[in-house]
Amino acid sequence: QFVLTQPPSASGTPGQRVTISCSGSSSNIGSKTVNWYQQLPGTAPKLLIYTNDQRPSGVPDRFSGSKSGTSASLAISGLQSEDEADYYCATWDDSLNCPVFGGGTSLTVL
Amino acid sequence: EVQLVQSGAEVKKPGESLKISCKGSGYDFSNYWIGWVRQMPGKGLECMGVIYPRDSETSYSPSFQGQITISVDKSMTAAYLQWSSLKASDSAMYYCARWDGGFGYWGQGTLVTVSS
Repeated sequence: QFVLTQPPSASGTPGQRVTISCSGSSSNIGSKTVNWYQQLPGTAPKLLIYTNDQRPSGVPDRFSGSKSGTSASLAISGLQSEDEADYYCATWDDSLNCPVFGGGTSLTVL
Repeated sequence: EVQLVQSGAEVKKPGESLKISCKGSGYDFSNYWIGWVRQMPGKGLECMGVIYPRDSETSYSPSFQGQITISVDKSMTAAYLQWSSLKASDSAMYYCARWDGGFGYWGQGTLVTVSS
């Protein structure tokens, strides 16, 4: 089982707003910042959100992140077909000496 | 432009050794942690360990401690992931990535297939 819990799948229609949740605990999300990654089919992951709610340059403002307590969320507004991908939340884990990832959410654009 | 370029796909037999590489360019290679991430077929992402090129300080995730060796050659601006004796279960895609508060830059991945 993954330390960070994500729904395995999510879906939406073009133009819709979709949110993906990431649930953790006081030892990870509750005390660390959260990053989100997008992995398009057959490609390497890409950093989408860092430090809970910051977007790297080049990431559209349709993507937004938030964190509250031991949970975090990724919201995608104005859903587009090219947003169909796997999305992973992650936070640094001192016991792993590495970031720990959620299990990933496969987003389908209907 | 920051780039991480990984070595090509490998096909190996169980028990063989392997060393794959990740060459960084476009930034001060010594001053950013590099991590290695495993993705087994159809599965999620797992961080294996990280290394700081300036002093070669290395940390391994407990699941991978003793199974792999992470190293770096500053003069070549390259990081390496090494196995001394591969198992079929090591078949996966392996990514290197630069850590700067998140894995902001990724290599293209190296597919390792271990099969008799």
